[in-house]
Amino acid sequence: AIQMTQSPSSLSASVGDRVTITCRASQGIRVDLGWYQQKPGKAPKLLIYAASNLQSGVPSRFRGSGSGTDFTLIITSLQPEDFATYYCLQDYNFPPTFGQGTKVEVK
Amino acid sequence: QLQLQESGPGLVKPSETLSLTCTVSGGSISSNNYLWGWVRQPPGKGLEWIGTIFHSGNAYYSPSLKTRVTIFVDTSNNQFSLELYSVTAADTAVYYCARLPYCGGDCYRVPDYWGQGTLVTVSS
Repeated sequence: AIQMTQSPSSLSASVGDRVTITCRASQGIRVDLGWYQQKPGKAPKLLIYAASNLQSGVPSRFRGSGSGTDFTLIITSLQPEDFATYYCLQDYNFPPTFGQGTKVEVK
Repeated sequence: QLQLQESGPGLVKPSETLSLTCTVSGGSISSNNYLWGWVRQPPGKGLEWIGTIFHSGNAYYSPSLKTRVTIFVDTSNNQFSLELYSVTAADTAVYYCARLPYCGGDCYRVPDYWGQGTLVTVSS
């Protein structure tokens, strides 16, 4: 299975900060990657699909980029509702595999 | 508005079978545009893919679980189900069902809709 390595595992930030989360695949996965936001007790919410496509209804402050093995999720100006855990997920081949998650906490 | 709802026992004894059903409303499970999947998350930990199924019944299982899992679909009731056999405490998790957009052949996208999840505890 393809290994997805996410970094950092956690970070502290303030409202208004620019936040960057990275995900590295153990082999090339084209642009077959999504990003999710998960809040405690809730299901993951799709933010980005195909590496850079914003899911309908998701604020434009969420931006995804990358291809091949290296991917980035950027939150351009962190809002109070963005404190959560973020996961990447590759769908290049089966089984889909998740990164280990990045927890964004209040600084 | 599409909704997915997991249902099933919240407590299963070790060595027994975990059985969950996902009921889809607001859309048809028989659509050729989607696959359906199960994902789990142990308490305080990350997400793990369990398996995926098409409405035809073709199912694909994660290698780590394939000897113990079956996923099947009931199109007449717009549901799909998960059975996990010979469970242990390590199978304690929140179990989610999800919809995956399908783009033909072996092409599919990451899940776009998820159920709320159901906690299953394995304990005697």
